[in-house]
Amino acid sequence: QLTQSPSFLSASVADRVTITCRASQGVNSYLAWYQQKPGKAPNLLIYDASTLQSGVPSRFSGSGSGTEFTLTISSLQPEDFATYYCQQLNSYPLTFGGGTKVEIK
Amino acid sequence: EVQLVESGGGLVQPGGSLRLSCAASGFTFSNYWINWVRQAPGKGLEWVANIKQDGSEKYYVDSVKGRFTISRDNAKNSLFLQMNSLRAEDTAVYYCAKAERYSYGYNYWGQGTLVTVSS
Repeated sequence: QLTQSPSFLSASVADRVTITCRASQGVNSYLAWYQQKPGKAPNLLIYDASTLQSGVPSRFSGSGSGTEFTLTISSLQPEDFATYYCQQLNSYPLTFGGGTKVEIK
Repeated sequence: EVQLVESGGGLVQPGGSLRLSCAASGFTFSNYWINWVRQAPGKGLEWVANIKQDGSEKYYVDSVKGRFTISRDNAKNSLFLQMNSLRAEDTAVYYCAKAERYSYGYNYWGQGTLVTVSS
């Protein structure tokens, strides 16, 4: 089971934003982060906990291993307002976190 | 260009069946595990099932075991999800998705197909 916090976040452009994903059991580094905008499929941001997917802006970063992980957006941009999900790919059933909605303050 | 295109969604009564398809192009389909992920209206993402390159291994989330069957036809670059004994809680947009490598996240997704289970 993956628990994301917070579930809702209100922030301003240029803010530094951190989202946490906690696993009930260790998932090694097999954790991915996605961004999803309304009506669209998710977009992969980070895989293997900290590897930036090709084409994703460098303001996104991931860290952690084992049971605690973070996604950081160093300077929030208008296009970053969306919902973010973590996913563990370590063991079955593969699971997603509940999501963090990032809205404009 | 990698493309995944789902089809087969629609309105079905509780207890009914539906078969979803995912047509793949732009990559060597037979080289990859492929996944089904769903999202109920206004809810989060839920991984549903995946299948190994040659179809020899299949995994499912507990809530669909015994009701859903994932399969593939590598000759036709197609993925399928046979859904039986459908319930209202199966109502969702169903996406097919692939990862570049087994434990990586899914870097390609289809546009999704909506399944509505209602009387």
